[in-house]
Amino acid sequence: SQTIHQWPATLVQPVGSPLSLECTVEGTSNPNLYWYRQAAGRGLQLLFYSVGIGQISSEVPQNLSASRPQDRQFILSSKKLLLSDSGFYLCAWSDGTGGKTTAVYFGPGTRLTVT
Amino acid sequence: AQSVTQLGSHVSVSEGALVLLRCNYSSSVPPYLFWYVQYPNQGLQLLLKYTTGATLVKGINGFEAEFKKSETSFHLTKPSAHMSDAAEYFCAVSDNTNAGKSTFGDGTTLTVKP
Repeated sequence: SQTIHQWPATLVQPVGSPLSLECTVEGTSNPNLYWYRQAAGRGLQLLFYSVGIGQISSEVPQNLSASRPQDRQFILSSKKLLLSDSGFYLCAWSDGTGGKTTAVYFGPGTRLTVT
Repeated sequence: AQSVTQLGSHVSVSEGALVLLRCNYSSSVPPYLFWYVQYPNQGLQLLLKYTTGATLVKGINGFEAEFKKSETSFHLTKPSAHMSDAAEYFCAVSDNTNAGKSTFGDGTTLTVKP
């Protein structure tokens, strides 16, 4: 079966510091990968998605970036965090062969607080 | 572009009562629709999905949803609420590409009173 791992679970960082959140998926090959952000009391905002190694699409312009160095690894980064970057970050994957009908499967999330 | 509207950000029911969470969608193509549940400080978990075929879809934990094209709705129901159903519920619609992206509603928080 497939599993998705995210770390760290919680993170407190000062404004202006760098960020690196990592996500890995097991039990599948060539998945679509996603980073979502969930602000307090709000829905999910898609930040980035990737359909293959080195292929990153950005949905929202901001000071975050994403990379996919390996097939099942997805990294979210920032050079300098802003207060507005605080939120709950969710990594997710879907079956790369599933097309339009595939569901999205989520990791446990990282709670980021920028102080 | 696809969009989803969840009517009611908070719904409160008594234990044993009917649960009804409303979702309306907008899509220029036949939609693929999903319901997810999120417990506090956890990721989202798929409850059920509609792609094609039968319009009444059954999911986990006794939930079901009915796709009504004429009403552009995909409401989630459960005949009898349990305390463990208290969570946040998200309706989503898949976009019309093979990237598997979904657009999510703002969520509905379900409270179950004893």
